[in-house]
Amino acid sequence: EIVLTQSPGTLSLSPGERATLSCRASQSVSSTYLAWYQQKPGQAPRLLIYGASSRAIGIPDRFSGSGSGTDFTLTISRLEPEDFAVYYCQQYGTSPLTFGGGTKVEIK
Amino acid sequence: EVQLLESGGGLVQPGGSLRLSCAVSGVSFTSYAMSWVRQAPGKGLEWVSVISGSGSTTDYADSVKGRFTISRDNSKNTLYLQMNSLRAEDTAVYYCAKSAGLRLLYQFDYWGQGILVTVSS
Repeated sequence: EIVLTQSPGTLSLSPGERATLSCRASQSVSSTYLAWYQQKPGQAPRLLIYGASSRAIGIPDRFSGSGSGTDFTLTISRLEPEDFAVYYCQQYGTSPLTFGGGTKVEIK
Repeated sequence: EVQLLESGGGLVQPGGSLRLSCAVSGVSFTSYAMSWVRQAPGKGLEWVSVISGSGSTTDYADSVKGRFTISRDNSKNTLYLQMNSLRAEDTAVYYCAKSAGLRLLYQFDYWGQGILVTVSS
């Protein structure tokens, strides 16, 4: 099983700041089958990024993904008030499909 | 508009059974694999099971293998999860999620609103 470790656990930032979230895999993620989701309290997750760097439909370009192999990054270039949420990475290259433990982006 | 609507959750005693349903609309249901993902209270996301578009291929997380069965009725555009021998640690919000493509394991581009399953005596 591929274990995904997200860091930091919590990121305290102000609106307008840049957020950098990390996702590290215990083994290489095949074909960059790595996705990022955003989840707000009481809501289902929302797909942000797939294939490590492709934005999903309707996702603003302040969200970007990068990385390959075992190290991946989600960057939010300038935080908007609606971006404060929990973010999860997910690998879907190998069964079982796994998620990281999440990074909470909170208002400082 | 793609919509996924779960039903069938509730309170069940340890060792009991429950069947979740997920009605899907706005998409060619048979073209996509479908999964169940759960989230225990205050915890992260855990993938549970996946089924191919035809229903011929399934896969399960080790934590539910042998206890849960995923199935689908393509004539009704509905996904199911039969949960037997339920344990307290199965308590979670269960989401149905649509795979974004034909591949069995894929990113999830649409999710249901989630349904709570509570296993307690």
